[in-house]
Amino acid sequence: KNEVEQSPQNLTAQEGEFITINCSYSVGISALHWLQQHPGGGIVSLFMLSSGKKKHGRLIATINIQEKHSSLHITASHPRDSAVYICAVPLEGGGADGLTFGKGTHLIIQP
Amino acid sequence: DAEITQSPRHKITETGRQVTLACHQTWNHNNMFWYRQDLGHGLRLIHYSYGVHDTNKGEVSDGYSVSRSNTEDLPLTLESAASSQTSVYFCASSRGDDTDTQYFGPGTRLTVL
Repeated sequence: KNEVEQSPQNLTAQEGEFITINCSYSVGISALHWLQQHPGGGIVSLFMLSSGKKKHGRLIATINIQEKHSSLHITASHPRDSAVYICAVPLEGGGADGLTFGKGTHLIIQP
Repeated sequence: DAEITQSPRHKITETGRQVTLACHQTWNHNNMFWYRQDLGHGLRLIHYSYGVHDTNKGEVSDGYSVSRSNTEDLPLTLESAASSQTSVYFCASSRGDDTDTQYFGPGTRLTVL
């Protein structure tokens, strides 16, 4: 069973700062997901990646398959980026058994 | 627009009662999932389905059941609700396997007294 660790658990930063959230997992995977959960509780998928890097606006996700590690970066952070960011990977590494999740990183961006 | 909905959004019930939480998606996705979210544990997989009449147990399936009679719906039943099942429940769906994006419903907050 895959185990997921995220760091930091909590992060408070000032508007404009560069943010990095880390995720490591224990079993080789086919893909990794980054999710965002806003204070209202809704969950949206930000990225799904299996290699390299993906960019969407100010968000960048990278993955190193050999090191079993992924990072989510936010450039020019803004208070609206305040949310919980969650990393998820396949439960058994492969593609057929549902996802297992990190406990999330609670990010607060202060104006 | 395609969407995934859950009902009810909030539910209070008593210990021992049977409770069913509804999940309906109009994406025409084959895969549907139920998760629970608790402080200190994050999201955990309860049950999942890869198509009509297919159901599978997840990490925390004890006390829960699902059935899939059509593509659009995957209801989650708590046969005899327990206080330990007080949680926020999320339904999700995806087109393919775990390498596909999952789309989450808005969640149901269940309180078992």
